[in-house]
Amino acid sequence: EVQLLESGGGLAQPGKSLRVSCRASGFTFSGYGMSWVRQAPGKGLEWVSAISGGGGGTYYADSVKGRFTISRDNANNTLILQMDSLRVDDTAVYYCTKETSMVHTSFDFWGQGTLVTVSS
Amino acid sequence: DIQMSQSPSSLSASVGDRVTITCRASQSIDRYLNWYQHKPGKAPKLLIYAASSLHSGVPSRFSGRGSGTDFTLTLSSVQAEDFATYYCQQSYSFPWTFGQGTQVEIK
Repeated sequence: EVQLLESGGGLAQPGKSLRVSCRASGFTFSGYGMSWVRQAPGKGLEWVSAISGGGGGTYYADSVKGRFTISRDNANNTLILQMDSLRVDDTAVYYCTKETSMVHTSFDFWGQGTLVTVSS
Repeated sequence: DIQMSQSPSSLSASVGDRVTITCRASQSIDRYLNWYQHKPGKAPKLLIYAASSLHSGVPSRFSGRGSGTDFTLTLSSVQAEDFATYYCQQSYSFPWTFGQGTQVEIK
C-alpha cells in the first residue's frame, strides 16, 4: 500500500526558513517523480515543485522559484522541500504527491498534508 | 504559462442528477489533462488521467472527454459521496497548473 507521510510543518516568521519532508513507502521510491502541491486557506490547489526519480531534474512554480528547493533522499525514501525567504502568502497545506510513470503524468497518490503558517 | 479555467465555479445538484464540469486551457495541451476530487480535510484523489482514462478504483459514473483546449468531466448520476470540489490540471508543460476548482454542492 502506497503511503506518503509529511512532516515538518509549523509556524515561521516572514523571511525565515522551514523544511518539510515526506516519507514514502509501499512503492519503489527512486522509480517515480514526486511533486509538492499546496492549498492556501480558502484557495484552490497550486502545484509548487517536482523532482525526477533520480533527482537530476527539478522544476518550480514561478511563485517559489529561487526561494524553495526540492530534493530527495532515495536511500531513505524521503522527499524534502526546503523553503527559504518565506512570505505570508506561502501559508498553506503542503501535500506530497507521487507522480505516475506514464507519458501523461498525474498525481496518483497524495499525503494528508502538513500545514505551514507564515506569520509575524 | 498555461492557464486553466473551469466552469462553473460552483453548482448545486441533487442525488441522481447528471453533472458536467468544463475545463479550458489557454493553449492546446493535447490530452495532458487530469481531474481530481477534493473534500475538506482530506487528501485530493485522482479521478481521470490523460483526459479520459479512469484511475483505478474510481466509479464508472465518472467520465472525461476532450482534447486540445476543451475538456469535460461528467458525473452520470451524482451520489452523496460525490459532493466535493473538482479540479482539472495540465501536465503538458511546466509549470503544471490547476484550474480554480468547481464546488459541487447538495441542492
